[in-house]
Amino acid sequence: AQSVTQLGSHVSVSEGALVLLRCNYSSSVPPYLFWYVQYPNQGLQLLLKYTSAATLVKGINGFEAEFKKSETSFHLTKPSAHMSDAAEYFCAVSDTGGFKTIFGAGTRLFVKA
Amino acid sequence: DAGITQSPRYKITETGRQVTLMCHQTWSHSYMFWYRQDLGHGLRLIYYSAAADITDKGEVPDGYVVSRSKTENFPLTLESATRSQTSVYFCASSPNKTPNTEAFFGQGTRLTVV
Repeated sequence: AQSVTQLGSHVSVSEGALVLLRCNYSSSVPPYLFWYVQYPNQGLQLLLKYTSAATLVKGINGFEAEFKKSETSFHLTKPSAHMSDAAEYFCAVSDTGGFKTIFGAGTRLFVKA
Repeated sequence: DAGITQSPRYKITETGRQVTLMCHQTWSHSYMFWYRQDLGHGLRLIYYSAAADITDKGEVPDGYVVSRSKTENFPLTLESATRSQTSVYFCASSPNKTPNTEAFFGQGTRLTVV
C-alpha cells in the first residue's frame, strides 16, 4: 500500500530563510506525488505535482520540490520565506488505481518576522 | 465561476441527530470525494464517486452515507452523529482519475457534534 510520511508537524523559519518541508513516500510502483497548501479556513490548493517528466518540479509562489527515487523523498523547498507562506502543507500520493489520493499528516509552517 | 462549494461552512449538531453536508461543483467533473481532516491524521477519505450513481467506500466510511443522483452534487450524510465525527469535512472533485490529476477542494465544513 502506498503512503506518505511528513517529517515534522511544525516547522518555524524566519522571514527570508530557506523553507524545507520533508516528505517521504512508500510505493512499489513509480509514484505520482503532490504538494498541496492550505491557508487558514480554506480548502487545499495544488502547489505542484511530480509526474515523471522531470525530477525537479517548480510550483506556484516560488516553491519547488525534487523527486529522489533513491531516497524515496519529495521534499518541498523555497529559497526565501515570506510571511504569506504561513500555512499548512500536505504531501500526497495517488494510489496505484488512480482513484484515491493519500495524504500525509501535514506540516504547519510558521514564518517569523 | 463558483467552482466547488460546500454548505454549511459551520454546523453544530447534537449526538444522535442526522446531518447532511452539501457539496456542489460547477465543472462537471466526473470524480468527487469526501475527506475529513483531523489533527495528526491529515486528510482521510470517507467516500468517493466516479460518476452519477457510482459511489464507493474510502478509508473511514463507517457512520456516513453518500449519494450522487446528479453529477454536480455529492451530499454526505451522518446518519446518527457521534462526537468522534467532530471534524472538518472537505469535498473535492477531479475531472478524471488518471494518477497525475490533482483534486480541487471546497472550503470545508466545520462540524461540531455536542
